[in-house]
Amino acid sequence: EAGVAQSPRYKIIEKRQSVAFWCNPISGHATLYWYQQILGQGPKLLIQFQNNGVVDDSQLPKDRFSAERLKGVDSTLKIQPAKLEDSAVYLCASSLDPWGETQYFGPGTRLLVL
Amino acid sequence: DAKTTQPNSMESNEEEPVHLPCNHSTISGTDYIHWYRQLPSQGPEYVIHGLTSNVNNRMASLAIAEDRKSSTLILHRATLRDAAVYYCILRDALAGGTSYGKLTFGQGTILTVHP
Repeated sequence: EAGVAQSPRYKIIEKRQSVAFWCNPISGHATLYWYQQILGQGPKLLIQFQNNGVVDDSQLPKDRFSAERLKGVDSTLKIQPAKLEDSAVYLCASSLDPWGETQYFGPGTRLLVL
Repeated sequence: DAKTTQPNSMESNEEEPVHLPCNHSTISGTDYIHWYRQLPSQGPEYVIHGLTSNVNNRMASLAIAEDRKSSTLILHRATLRDAAVYYCILRDALAGGTSYGKLTFGQGTILTVHP
């Protein structure tokens, strides 16, 4: 079974630029999550989708972050404009069930904002 | 969200058992106890979860105290590949709204395994 795919794996941008991350969840998984992990901390949930609807985006900085999951499969997370404090690893995860009993994580995208 | 407390770091020797503790004194009756681990430069990986009874799988065992205020993840024979950050997380099985399926990660325990 293929795992959660993410791209790119690494990205370096300057502040005020925009960036987008892509995630392809495990086939058949209806629930998709985006997490932000700052160095030395545990992952923090940014947004959760159930199919193509948003379940929780309470911790998403909506003035600069946006996410979509068209057709309930792939998802993109965008930052525009980026700030220095956005430097982090962005993790995508998916689960078969909506209550997230087991979440499967991708390898993450490491973002450095200069 | 119910909180968990874990030691910042632990050390073990290869091929010895490792007991990783987690305190969750404010756990509610519908909270499942989940353990994930994160190897260097990888995303977190599910290890095990349980509600009241002890659980075993191919990766580890989970021992849950009778009052459920603490639990212990047991790696029966540590290998160098078990060196990772281990997260103990409570998930409310009946949470609705924005808490549905939510995992709140803490700092975790950094496990170092010596050869």
